[in-house]
Amino acid sequence: AQSVTQLGSHVSVSEGALVLLRCNYSSSVPPYLFWYVQYPNQGLQLLLKYTSAATLVKGINGFEAEFKKSETSFHLTKPSAHMSDAAEYFCAVIYGGATNKLIFGTGTLLAVQP
Amino acid sequence: DAMVIQNPRYQVTQFGKPVTLSCSQTLNHNVMYWYQQKSSQAPKLLFHYYDKDFNNEADTPDNFQSRRPNTSFCFLDIRSPGLGDAAMYLCATSSRTSGSPYEQYFGPGTRLTVT
Repeated sequence: AQSVTQLGSHVSVSEGALVLLRCNYSSSVPPYLFWYVQYPNQGLQLLLKYTSAATLVKGINGFEAEFKKSETSFHLTKPSAHMSDAAEYFCAVIYGGATNKLIFGTGTLLAVQP
Repeated sequence: DAMVIQNPRYQVTQFGKPVTLSCSQTLNHNVMYWYQQKSSQAPKLLFHYYDKDFNNEADTPDNFQSRRPNTSFCFLDIRSPGLGDAAMYLCATSSRTSGSPYEQYFGPGTRLTVT
């Protein structure tokens, strides 16, 4: 079955440190890829998306992600963490087809230590 | 700003008492989705409407129903809520005909508590 895997359900970094959240997808056909952020008791906000254009995608709040077909990965990075980045992050894919159904990873809770 | 609105943000209902959650959108998108998200889990798609066409996920319980009276509004009805239905309910929209067809726009969610 098509799936998306997020390694690390909890990641903790110090303020100012590099943020790296991992995401791998399962298809040999490149899907459409998304990173969403969710703050407590809020909906999902789109950080960035890959839709077969540039492989390095820049998003909001200083985040970026690189699509690597050879590794079937779409890891999310930010050079310097800020306290306000503490949230849950979801990687999601759409493999196409009529429904455009989003398949979510299990999420990574990012904690930022002062 | 164009947006997805969910009301109420917090809803408390009693075990077995029907409850309706609402979603409205000003994006004029033709697809509307309902997700259920339990604590520390990813959102789970319950169903979606493509225009007036209703598409139910295979594992969505019969206890969950939906209505879409027009393009802007979509409702989630829970006929007999159980304790296990306590969750965040997220509405999302997307357009198959304009803009980015694969991007879903989420509302702020309704937190449902069942007592």
